[in-house]
Amino acid sequence: DGGITQSPKYLFRKEGQNVTLSCEQNLNHDAMYWYRQDPGQGLRLIYYSQIVNDFQKGDIAEGYSVSREKKESFPLTVTSAQKNPTAFYLCASSSGGGPYEQYFGPGTRLTVT
Amino acid sequence: GQQLNQSPQSMFIQEGEDVSMNCTSSSIFNTWLWYKQDPGEGPVLLIALYKAGELTSNGRLTAQFGITRKDSFLNISASIPSDVGIYFCAGAPVPDDKIIFGKGTRLHILP
Repeated sequence: DGGITQSPKYLFRKEGQNVTLSCEQNLNHDAMYWYRQDPGQGLRLIYYSQIVNDFQKGDIAEGYSVSREKKESFPLTVTSAQKNPTAFYLCASSSGGGPYEQYFGPGTRLTVT
Repeated sequence: GQQLNQSPQSMFIQEGEDVSMNCTSSSIFNTWLWYKQDPGEGPVLLIALYKAGELTSNGRLTAQFGITRKDSFLNISASIPSDVGIYFCAGAPVPDDKIIFGKGTRLHILP
């Protein structure tokens, strides 16, 4: 089955630690995206990548970093510089040529204490 | 930055009722998308609209791309308990290469 996987589903970290969230897709999509969702809020774009070895900052990139070494994978690192990292993180992909029809993974809930 | 205004913020309805929600923008969009999110899960794409005036159905769901290109509507007919969740609109503003999301409409169905 084609789809997007995110792991783990729940992640707990101590303040001051970096943490990396995994996102893998087997849809052969060119573009991948990371969003953050807070309670009662819409989705806010952190980073996106339209092609391997290239990525752009979204609206809330501060305190986050990404890499896109393979088409299938787009890991997100939440660094200790992110002041309020506890949130639900969603990865998405699309076929490219525009932002259309993004398909989402199941999400990772990160809790930092 | 650009914002989408999605309304209503929440709805409480009886099972079997029809539901309407909408999204508006101050600028022109060239794509409108509607998603549903269940608690603790990722959003699932329901309907994609690409042309002004376009009306598209997916089962009991119908969505329209507004003729002004600044709004979109989603209707759900004869609601059932599994329709409960958060519905998000999303749009691709011209000439941007990424989409933005509304804050969602939370649908509750009363027993």
